Amino acid sequence: DGGITQSPKYLFRKEGQNVTLSCEQNLNHDAMYWYRQDPGQGLRLIYYSQIVNDFQKGDIAEGYSVSREKKESFPLTVTSAQKNPTAFYLCASKEAALGEFDGYTFGSGTRLTVV
Amino acid sequence: EDQVTQSPEALRLQEGESSSLNCSYTVSGLRGLFWYRQDPGKGPEFLFTLYSAGEEKEKERLKATLTKKESFLHITAPKPEDSATYLCAVQAYGTGGGNKLTFGTGTQLKVEL
Repeated sequence: DGGITQSPKYLFRKEGQNVTLSCEQNLNHDAMYWYRQDPGQGLRLIYYSQIVNDFQKGDIAEGYSVSREKKESFPLTVTSAQKNPTAFYLCASKEAALGEFDGYTFGSGTRLTVV
Repeated sequence: EDQVTQSPEALRLQEGESSSLNCSYTVSGLRGLFWYRQDPGKGPEFLFTLYSAGEEKEKERLKATLTKKESFLHITAPKPEDSATYLCAVQAYGTGGGNKLTFGTGTQLKVEL
């Protein structure tokens, strides 16, 4: 079945440590997105990518980095510069060219906790 | 700045008790309004896209409607399995590409027997 796989499901980060969240899709979608979800707040866009080797900052990119070396993969690194990283992270994808108004397909999320 | 406000924050219904969830939005130009369902600890699941005022879409016990200022998600005769958080999001024209969405904070629905 086609879909988006996020791993790990749970991740614990120590102070000053960088961690990388994985996102892989087999939907052949062009565009991929990273959102952060906090209690009582709407999903907030961190980074997005419309094509391989290109990505743009979202609304809250500070302290995060991404890469898009392959169409199916869009990993997110949470760096030590992100002062409040504890959150639920969601990866999403959609076709950029066709079905422009279709909804995203989301992964099942990674819950990151600072310890 | 695009804004999406959902109400109520939480809603408790008895099985079979119909109700509506509200999504008010402010955008410079609406390209599309989206409804998602999210179960605890999981990613959102796409339900509907609405494009223009007066449009309606249905899926089982759910019906979404759209006006120029708000959208409603009507739940008819809900069942316990409809319990979830329902998210509303908008896509505006001129977002610089990327099909970016602005999300509301959601309505947490609990349907009891």
